[in-house]
Amino acid sequence: TQLLEQSPQFLSIQEGENLTVYCNSSSVFSSLQWYRQEPGEGPVLLVTVVTGGEVKKLKRLTFQFGDARKDSSLHITAAQPGDTGLYLCAGWGGANNLFFGTGTRLTVIP
Amino acid sequence: NAGVMQNPRHLVRRRGQEARLRCSPMKGHSHVYWYRQLPEEGLKFMVYLQKENIIDESGMPKERFSAEFPKEGPSILRIQQVVRGDSAAYFCASSLTGMGVGSPLHFGNGTRLTVT
Repeated sequence: TQLLEQSPQFLSIQEGENLTVYCNSSSVFSSLQWYRQEPGEGPVLLVTVVTGGEVKKLKRLTFQFGDARKDSSLHITAAQPGDTGLYLCAGWGGANNLFFGTGTRLTVIP
Repeated sequence: NAGVMQNPRHLVRRRGQEARLRCSPMKGHSHVYWYRQLPEEGLKFMVYLQKENIIDESGMPKERFSAEFPKEGPSILRIQQVVRGDSAAYFCASSLTGMGVGSPLHFGNGTRLTVT
């Protein structure tokens, strides 16, 4: 059974601070995606990382895929209240479904 | 998100009743996926359908749950004889082609089922 563990589970920070959330697995994934979900809405895709060691930037968000393609991280610089939400990593391991992680709930306090 | 339409947004059923959840995929998308989410948890895969075919139902309970995606009309997730443990948010997603990097999933805003 593939398992994507995210840490921390909850994170509350002040506006302007930096943070990193992690997505770890003992399984190898062909690619990993990061989604953000706001209350009452469905997840929205932020990025897909495919190559081991790949780094992608999306404004203040930096995503990294581990060399062994078993883990990924999301770093947010100078967090803003609009970054508040549930961050989910997800990956395909070869099965017919996108497998989601346990999630990190981020709260950015103004 | 607005592209994938789910209805109803909220559904209340008493134990033993049937729940029908509808999902209209984005225009041109022929692949539909259903996920279930409990509060403060990630999404759990239930079933993957392509027009008129169930491709993978490995995440869907064998009893009481069924899904379809007919040639015409929305995809339907049906839960018969609902129990309190079925209370959750059910999300539908669609993609242009099958699972893969080149075909991202687009999610609807979910149906929140409450069983009383």
